[in-house]
Amino acid sequence: SQQGEEDPQALSIQEGENATMNCSYKTSINNLQWYRQNSGRGLVHLILIRSNEREKHSGRLRVTLDTSKKSSSLLITASRAADTASYFCASTGFQKLVFGTGTRLLVSP
Amino acid sequence: DTAVSQTPKYLVTQMGNDKSIKCEQNLGHDTMYWYKQDSKKFLKIMFSYNNKELIINETVPNRFSPKSPDKAHLNLHINSLELGDSAVYFCASSQDAGAKNIQYFGAGTRLSVL
Repeated sequence: SQQGEEDPQALSIQEGENATMNCSYKTSINNLQWYRQNSGRGLVHLILIRSNEREKHSGRLRVTLDTSKKSSSLLITASRAADTASYFCASTGFQKLVFGTGTRLLVSP
Repeated sequence: DTAVSQTPKYLVTQMGNDKSIKCEQNLGHDTMYWYKQDSKKFLKIMFSYNNKELIINETVPNRFSPKSPDKAHLNLHINSLELGDSAVYFCASSQDAGAKNIQYFGAGTRLSVL
């Protein structure tokens, strides 16, 4: 299977804390994307990092990429209850995204 | 206006039936996709169309047949439904078929086969 893996599978934190999710992928990539899925909803794109980038920021999100280890991490700082969702990384090969297994994040008030 | 809309949102049906799911995007994108998300939240691509032409056809039973009447629509017809087809099916679109493109997802169709 080409599917990547994420860890942890589930993460429970308090509001204001930081949340870090890790992703490993299997094939060479053009870029790597992170998506969020709220319960019962479709996926929403969060951030894209190109294969020649090592770090990228967007608001409270920070993504790193290590192509030598085929891994990426997503850091959400100062988390809020509204950040409760599943987070997926997606590695991009030829014409398609290969999604990771996802991390379920629960942020408690 | 919803960018990528799917109908129906829920679909409950008996084994052996045939059903269709419809998808429309108003983003002016050239490429559309169907994904299947199983009960463990694994999301896997099934098909992709670019300008009405099939470009990705993963290992999917031939009971599943996509159809793209125009580049704004991608429908999925499923024949002889089986219990294992129960899942959430997502439609998505992107500007074109390039790997760098961000994909926009519909809200999903939850299919339950009894």
